[in-house]
Amino acid sequence: EAQVTQNPRYLITVTGKKLTVTCSQNMNHEYMSWYRQDPGLGLRQIYYSMNVEVTDKGDVPEGYKVSRKEKRNFPLILESPSPNQTSLYFCASSQGDEQFFGPGTRLTVL
Amino acid sequence: RKEVEQDPGPFNVPEGATVAFNCTYSNSASQSFFWYRQDCRKEPKLLMSVYSSGNEDGRFTAQLNRASQYISLLIRDSKLSDSATYLCVLGKGGSYIPTFGRGTSLIVHP
Repeated sequence: EAQVTQNPRYLITVTGKKLTVTCSQNMNHEYMSWYRQDPGLGLRQIYYSMNVEVTDKGDVPEGYKVSRKEKRNFPLILESPSPNQTSLYFCASSQGDEQFFGPGTRLTVL
Repeated sequence: RKEVEQDPGPFNVPEGATVAFNCTYSNSASQSFFWYRQDCRKEPKLLMSVYSSGNEDGRFTAQLNRASQYISLLIRDSKLSDSATYLCVLGKGGSYIPTFGRGTSLIVHP
């Protein structure tokens, strides 16, 4: 089944404790991206990647890092999470216009 | 003016009703347009692309008006299962940063 997976689905952590949210797709898509969704603000792009070893900032990259060492994986790294990074995070991949989203990761930073 | 504007709603309609949403955009460089559907706490999924000539898929019709810079989504014969948030998404040619509207909430009641 073609899909985008994310882990963990839910995470509660504390300020400053480094964390990684994994994202993997099995559709051989070149393009992957990360979004956060907050009430009243909609979906905002954090980072995107056009291919292996090619990443670029989206609209709200501050406080986040990404890497693209393999085509299928695109982890999101929060080196020192803060409460304002509490949000619902989506990973997406595409090979054209349609974006396929993962199920989301609900992150709470205390 | 926000880049993409949608009426957040909610639009509360009875089963069988026809309902229409608009999405206005400010960037005339936008070249691709989409409607995504998002169920509560779930990932967005592509509903339909919006072409210059319009697009119809069953009960759903999407149209683009470049002169007035808006796209529309018409849902005929609403079903309970149509209850969701509908996101307007714009892409700019050559850019990998799509712009999402904040969504319009639709509630279809018996």
